[in-house]
Amino acid sequence: DTEVTQTPKHLVMGMTNKKSLKCEQHMGHRAMYWYKQKAKKPPELMFVYSYEKLSINESVPSRFSPECPNSSLLNLHLHALQPEDSALYLCASSEEGGNQPQHFGDGTRLSIL
Amino acid sequence: AQSVAQPEDQVNVAEGNPLTVKCTYSVSGNPYLFWYVQYPNRGLQFLLKYITGDNLVKGSYGFEAEFNKSQTSFHLKKPSALVSDSALYFCAVRDWGYNKLIFGAGTRLAVHP
Repeated sequence: DTEVTQTPKHLVMGMTNKKSLKCEQHMGHRAMYWYKQKAKKPPELMFVYSYEKLSINESVPSRFSPECPNSSLLNLHLHALQPEDSALYLCASSEEGGNQPQHFGDGTRLSIL
Repeated sequence: AQSVAQPEDQVNVAEGNPLTVKCTYSVSGNPYLFWYVQYPNRGLQFLLKYITGDNLVKGSYGFEAEFNKSQTSFHLKKPSALVSDSALYFCAVRDWGYNKLIFGAGTRLAVHP
């Protein structure tokens, strides 16, 4: 079992829908991450939150909107997505510090119709 | 700029034989290196890391990795492969100055009975 929980596991949405992905961790980690992963490719970093503040945005389109309501929760709000946004979205968390490993959830598989 | 290379798309090994998955890196300064494994329909699982100290790092599930500064390599090894080791393996390096990982392209390990 992973210590980072993501919901839902699967999501199918139309290009005009609004939906949210959720991520929760109870390890006391103060850094949280969103990644996008295409099949058989490495994860691509989207956003990093440090102490609940957005610290990195990797030039992600505004149709993706992250939110960190508290130190345990991370959301990714989706609106007007494109078919090419279909992918596995992974959440991760870590302690602060470059020598700390990131712990990943099992992801949300997103399909855009 | 930091980078990681995994020169093999796929590695095939017979069960019971030793396995090696290769990784080379390019960083300015001392590297923080990580190995992750991804099973189908799962997130990434942390295997081991090198920060400093002994060049041979032991990790989860019997895996180990050898850090070689002169060859800028961090190869993943296991003395005796299991069919259940079949998965996608990612090498990663910490991007200095940023709280992010740089991943290699990934290597698919196939262990045959």
